Amino acid sequence: DGGITQSPKYLFRKEGQNVTLSCEQNLNHDAMYWYRQDPGQGLRLIYYSQIVNDFQKGDIAEGYSVSREKKESFPLTVTSAQKNPTAFYLCASSPISGSLYEQYFGPGTRLTVT
Amino acid sequence: EDQVTQSPEALRLQEGESSSLNCSYTVSGLRGLFWYRQDPGKGPEFLFTLYSAGEEKEKERLKATLTKKESFLHITAPKPEDSATYLCAVQASGGSYIPTFGRGTSLIVHP
Repeated sequence: DGGITQSPKYLFRKEGQNVTLSCEQNLNHDAMYWYRQDPGQGLRLIYYSQIVNDFQKGDIAEGYSVSREKKESFPLTVTSAQKNPTAFYLCASSPISGSLYEQYFGPGTRLTVT
Repeated sequence: EDQVTQSPEALRLQEGESSSLNCSYTVSGLRGLFWYRQDPGKGPEFLFTLYSAGEEKEKERLKATLTKKESFLHITAPKPEDSATYLCAVQASGGSYIPTFGRGTSLIVHP
């Protein structure tokens, strides 16, 4: 089955620790995205990547880092510099050929930092 | 700046009580509008893409329509399993290909 996988589903960390969230897709999509979702705030874009070894900051990139070494993988690191890291994190992918870029989402990772 | 506003924020319906969700948008030019369904604790599930004013798409009890300034998601005779948050997003023509999302409408259907 084609799709997007995120792991783990739940993640707990102590304040001051970096943590990496995994995102893998087998849809052969060129673009991948990371969003953060907080209650009442909708989806906020953290980082996105259109091609391997290239990525751009979204609206709330501070305190986060990403890499895109393979087309299928786009891991997100939440660093200790992120002041409010507890949130639901969503990874998405989309094609970028043609004219529309419908995004498909993974199941999400809920990160709790105490 | 592209903007997407969804209303109402929350909607409670009785089973079988039809209603509509609204997605109003402001973009310099619309390339496409997307509807998603999101269940609690899960990622959004893609429902529809609408390309141009006058277009309609249907899936089971859901029908999405599009005008030049807004889209409606009509829910006919809803069932409790239709309870979810429905998200709308728009993609503007030209410039960034990143969609702009609304904050969603939380729908609860009571049996």
